[in-house]
Amino acid sequence: NAGVMQNPRHLVRRRGQEARLRCSPMKGHSHVYWYRQLPEEGLKFMVYLQKENIIDESGMPKERFSAEFPKEGPSILRIQQVVRGDSAAYFCASSARQGASYGYTFGSGTRLTVV
Amino acid sequence: GQNIDQPTEMTATEGAIVQINCTYQTSGFNGLFWYQQHAGEAPTFLSYNVLDGLEEKGRFSSFLSRSKGYSYLLLKELQMKDSASYLCAASENQAGTALIFGKGTTLSVSS
Repeated sequence: NAGVMQNPRHLVRRRGQEARLRCSPMKGHSHVYWYRQLPEEGLKFMVYLQKENIIDESGMPKERFSAEFPKEGPSILRIQQVVRGDSAAYFCASSARQGASYGYTFGSGTRLTVV
Repeated sequence: GQNIDQPTEMTATEGAIVQINCTYQTSGFNGLFWYQQHAGEAPTFLSYNVLDGLEEKGRFSSFLSRSKGYSYLLLKELQMKDSASYLCAASENQAGTALIFGKGTTLSVSS
């Protein structure tokens, strides 16, 4: 049973380009959470999704960032017109039921570098 | 406001015991988590406390005092492989869907 799969592991984008980060949750998990880890900072919650629905996007910047979790396929975190400040590690987690207390499993992250 | 504080770095030797402290301030509270994260890898779940007291799980134990906004992670019989970052996180909402993380404590275990 594969864990949470994120790809790519490393992504380099020039300023102004788009970044697409993918997350395939564990089998049987329908709840997905995205977190961002800036250098020397703790993980920061961005968005919580269930299949086809955004449940909580209170941590996501209002502009340039969007997330989806379609009925088929992985969850996608999309960053448009990237800037240097977007350079960070982006982690996805999934759970079978709502909430971390039921068992969050994290992926290994995507390290985005904006040059 | 929301705040999770934990020491930045700690060092210890193999076979020793180390205690990593965490204090938290959140507007709501629905549990305290500890995760282990090796460099470049995914955070992995260690423990979850929602009631006051000590939870023991093998070499690792976690303690919570809700009235003091305080938790600690206790690691016994340290091994070299325990060298990692230890993340303290609080669940602020009842659904537990958005965790607030501290910056992590980097533990270095030497022989």
